Amino acid sequence: AQSVTQPDIHITVSEGASLELRCNYSYGATPYLFWYVQSPGQGLQLLLKYFSGDTLVQGIKGFEAEFKRSQSSFNLRKPSVHWSDAAEYFCAVGDFTGGGNKLTFGTGTQLKVEL
Amino acid sequence: EAGVTQFPSHSVIEKGQTVTLRCDPISGHDNLYWYRRVMGKEIKFLLHFVKESKQDESGMPNNRFLAERTGGTYSTLKVQPAELEDSGVYFCASSQKIMETQYFGPGTRLLVL
Repeated sequence: AQSVTQPDIHITVSEGASLELRCNYSYGATPYLFWYVQSPGQGLQLLLKYFSGDTLVQGIKGFEAEFKRSQSSFNLRKPSVHWSDAAEYFCAVGDFTGGGNKLTFGTGTQLKVEL
Repeated sequence: EAGVTQFPSHSVIEKGQTVTLRCDPISGHDNLYWYRRVMGKEIKFLLHFVKESKQDESGMPNNRFLAERTGGTYSTLKVQPAELEDSGVYFCASSQKIMETQYFGPGTRLLVL
């Protein structure tokens, strides 16, 4: 069965600093990978996704992620964090076998931004 | 275009009571999903509808949970009778086609006392 690990439960960065959130997955086939963000009081919003092709994926709000098959990783990065980026971030792997569409999520990383 | 909406946003009930959660997907989305996040743990898949049919209900925890999607539009998730461990945030999502992005609603926060 597939699984996703987000090793960092909480991360604090200063505004303007760079950010990297880690995600490791376990999946038998070619993974379909996602990053979602949940701001306080909001639903989950898709930041970016990887299905195939270029392993460096650009998303919304200046985020990017790199798929590294050899490391089973899909880390999320942003060169300069803004205070509005404070939120909880979720990495997920999609399973489309059997005609379904099931996301398996990591436990999330809570990002705090210091001004 | 309206997003996925969920009602109620919060619900507090006592153990043994019944609660019904509602989800309205994005118009035209045939695929509807329910997920749950319990006590700060990971978000877990519950089930997947394609129109009014259950495509995958492998994540439903037990027979106290009943999901329906009559007419292939909105869906309800009923918990009867509710137990303490059912507390958490219930998310609904929808997608136009399978293998397309799932769009999530804001969630319903359920507290069972």
